[in-house]
Amino acid sequence: DVKVTQSSRYLVKRTGEKVFLECVQDMDHENMFWYRQDPGLGLRLIYFSYDVKMKEKGDIPEGYSVSREKKERFSLILESASTNQTSMYLCASRQGTGITYEQYFGPGTRLTVT
Amino acid sequence: GNSVTQMEGPVTLSEEAFLTINCTYTATGYPSLFWYVQYPGEGLQLLLKATKADDKGSNKGFEATYRKETTSFHLEKGSVQVSDSAVYFCAREMKTSYDKVIFGPGTSLSVIP
Repeated sequence: DVKVTQSSRYLVKRTGEKVFLECVQDMDHENMFWYRQDPGLGLRLIYFSYDVKMKEKGDIPEGYSVSREKKERFSLILESASTNQTSMYLCASRQGTGITYEQYFGPGTRLTVT
Repeated sequence: GNSVTQMEGPVTLSEEAFLTINCTYTATGYPSLFWYVQYPGEGLQLLLKATKADDKGSNKGFEATYRKETTSFHLEKGSVQVSDSAVYFCAREMKTSYDKVIFGPGTSLSVIP
């Protein structure tokens, strides 16, 4: 079974803090994704990585950066957290590029910025 | 545009009731379509998919038919169970350099005994 794990289920941070959200997958998948999930908006793609050290901006990259130094790990970084970044963050991985490959999701990190 | 619209709910049904969750999409061409399910406290998982017009995806008693005439992909189940309580997301493929998936807003379903 594919397993995607995220470092925290719940996180509370203060405005202006630097925040790291970690995601690890154990199936040697090439592609990894970070989404945020907000009520009424569904999932919106923040960043995508198609290989180690390779990344592409998604639909809402502003205020976020990412790091992929190893194939199994994809980190989302909030350089200076703001209250409008309070949300549920979901990580996903996929074997390769192509719609025939299913995305596998982690359980999510609920981040609150106060 | 490229979007997915679905009824937002919440939807509350009694056990063994018939379920329909409507989903429509806008697109040029015929993208692959998906339904994902998110059980409480878990990430999303793929429920079913259809890759071309008139295809029917099915899994765990759920079905959805790709209707290009109405640009719809409605999710149905004949008899829901309490364990089906979850949030359901309709989604479509969007061809980009990395084959993106566009998700609808999600529909929350509660099934009561």
